[in-house]
Amino acid sequence: GQQLNQSPQSMFIQEGEDVSMNCTSSSIFNTWLWYKQDPGEGPVLLIALYKAGELTSNGRLTAQFGITRKDSFLNISASIPSDVGIYFCAGQKSGTSYGKLTFGQGTILTVHP
Amino acid sequence: GAGVSQSPSNKVTEKGKDVELRCDPISGHTALYWYRQSLGQGLEFLIYFQGNSAPDKSGLPSDRFSAERTGGSVSTLTIQRTQQEDSAVYLCASSLQGLTDTQYFGPGTRLTVL
Repeated sequence: GQQLNQSPQSMFIQEGEDVSMNCTSSSIFNTWLWYKQDPGEGPVLLIALYKAGELTSNGRLTAQFGITRKDSFLNISASIPSDVGIYFCAGQKSGTSYGKLTFGQGTILTVHP
Repeated sequence: GAGVSQSPSNKVTEKGKDVELRCDPISGHTALYWYRQSLGQGLEFLIYFQGNSAPDKSGLPSDRFSAERTGGSVSTLTIQRTQQEDSAVYLCASSLQGLTDTQYFGPGTRLTVL
């Protein structure tokens, strides 16, 4: 099935550094979501974006919904060890039968103390 | 309150056997979703239930896969005649109303087909 193109696939950074990851699609989505998944657990929603151009923050996390509605990015500032995990972008279309989420392949984040 | 729960957490089976995976959604959530996560991949949509409406089965990969939701609550995903390529983590999610509400995920069932 369709997947979003998420990059980078993995990142190895030092504690305190900022992180940026992005997601692109060939089709338009009405909602962009960013999830984090810890080992052995299901994804947890971090940020939801509902409007093209929207910039939303959640603590050290900032995400933007691209103007074209075909892309989104997530920034994490001043990373800490507990930021380690897999980050997924997900897009959602509106309308009946189109609400299911389409996920990116994930970005594996490793933070060295 | 309790989140989405799934059982079993791990399932090892032999090729050709049938398996059943269970999902208990958050109480009061009317929408329920099944996703599959293969190693190193994102989540792949399988099926979506909303209230009493006919389920959206558009993501089921073959007719060996089926799911039902009894009484608008618990759901069971059944895989018949399992194949090695069915090995993955199967994740269930629920949301309060439906398509535009936040989906809350369970911990998943890791299926290994030998």
